[in-house]
Amino acid sequence: GDSVTQMEGPVTLSEEAFLTINCTYTATGYPSLFWYVQYPGEGLQLLLKATKADDKGSNKGFEATYRKETTSFHLEKGSVQVSDSAVYFCALNSGGSNYKLTFGKGTLLTVNP
Amino acid sequence: DTEVTQTPKHLVMGMTNKKSLKCEQHMGHRAMYWYKQKAKKPPELMFVYSYEKLSINESVPSRFSPECPNSSLLNLHLHALQPEDSALYLCASSQVLTGTYGYTFGSGTRLTVV
Repeated sequence: GDSVTQMEGPVTLSEEAFLTINCTYTATGYPSLFWYVQYPGEGLQLLLKATKADDKGSNKGFEATYRKETTSFHLEKGSVQVSDSAVYFCALNSGGSNYKLTFGKGTLLTVNP
Repeated sequence: DTEVTQTPKHLVMGMTNKKSLKCEQHMGHRAMYWYKQKAKKPPELMFVYSYEKLSINESVPSRFSPECPNSSLLNLHLHALQPEDSALYLCASSQVLTGTYGYTFGSGTRLTVV
């Protein structure tokens, strides 16, 4: 079945540091890949997505590239801000008639000033 | 309008109460979902509606009863809940019943059962 493995948190960084959150997946077919962000006390927001191999999703300075050969979709940001403190979820959908999103366990990021 | 709106934001209810959660979207999406999220965990799918019909029930206890009165509204009726049902309840929608392009989530209702 489908599964997503993302790095265990929590991750604590200083402002302006470089961020990487690793995400690897197992899926049938050709999945779409997503990063969702959840700020404290809020719902999930779609941060970025990629629907085919070698696509790069980007938003708000965050980037992730769909790597089919390594089944990975790592999230990166060159310079984090305190306001980026949140939980980040990697997720996939294996396409076709599959309605389900399969989530990773989430990574808590804390950015200190 | 690119939002999913959920009300109320917070709800405290006793184990004998009956309450309802409401979700609304005006993006023309024809698939709507209820998720439950416990603290420090990813969301878990509960129900899926497609074109106002219940498509999927992920073996959810009958004390949770979903309803889709029209294409823009989704309700979750709650009755005789247990303290372990305390969680963040998230509504989501998508254009059609496929996750290929992701969902739009609401901000959730934080439910506490006392």
